[in-house]
Amino acid sequence: DQQVKQNSPSLSVQEGRISILNCDYTNSMFDYFLWYKKYPAEGPTFLISISSIKDKNEDGRFTVFLNKSAKHLSLHIVPSQPGDSAVYFCAASGSGNTPLVFGKGTRLSVIA
Amino acid sequence: NAGVTQTPKFRVLKTGQSMTLLCAQDMNHEYMYWYRQDPGMGLRLIHYSVGEGTTAKGEVPDGYNVSRLKKQNFLLGLESAAPSQTSVYFCASSRDGGKAFFGQGTRLTVV
Repeated sequence: DQQVKQNSPSLSVQEGRISILNCDYTNSMFDYFLWYKKYPAEGPTFLISISSIKDKNEDGRFTVFLNKSAKHLSLHIVPSQPGDSAVYFCAASGSGNTPLVFGKGTRLSVIA
Repeated sequence: NAGVTQTPKFRVLKTGQSMTLLCAQDMNHEYMYWYRQDPGMGLRLIHYSVGEGTTAKGEVPDGYNVSRLKKQNFLLGLESAAPSQTSVYFCASSRDGGKAFFGQGTRLTVV
């Protein structure tokens, strides 16, 4: 049973436009959410996170939105750049420092 | 500051052989993890440790063993490799169970 779901395996966006990556979760005990970015042949790298006490967190071109009632979060990248082309993983953890649970990832392609 | 270092980066094993993957972190993190990444499956947790001398099972622990004898090291062992264990293995560490830092990965092929 998947606790963290990324239903779009891939997304293609024009350079300069907004990229929106979505993630849904089922476990109501999750209270901390993260996005990781992964390039081929490299390990995932942390991008941005949000605690359940917030509904938005922004870092430069990256913004994460959390809708707790819908158990949904999204990552917005504005403007998208070709260097943003990568696989993006959504992850979540619960109280008690439980290990991160990851979604299956979304491959973003930013076309110049 | 090296962060999380995995050894080796690549390995080919024959079915039934054994091997150990080594993970070392220099951030004094308490928590360490082993994940595997397979096409279309995302990152799945194999085993993890919440401190020196502790280990716990994750989502897909069968066929693997781990040890955390020293705080900075987390070893993943395959006693009898199977083709189903062909995967990319990632080690990660975190200070308090939240944001995790990953190694560069080990690509393992079992033939």
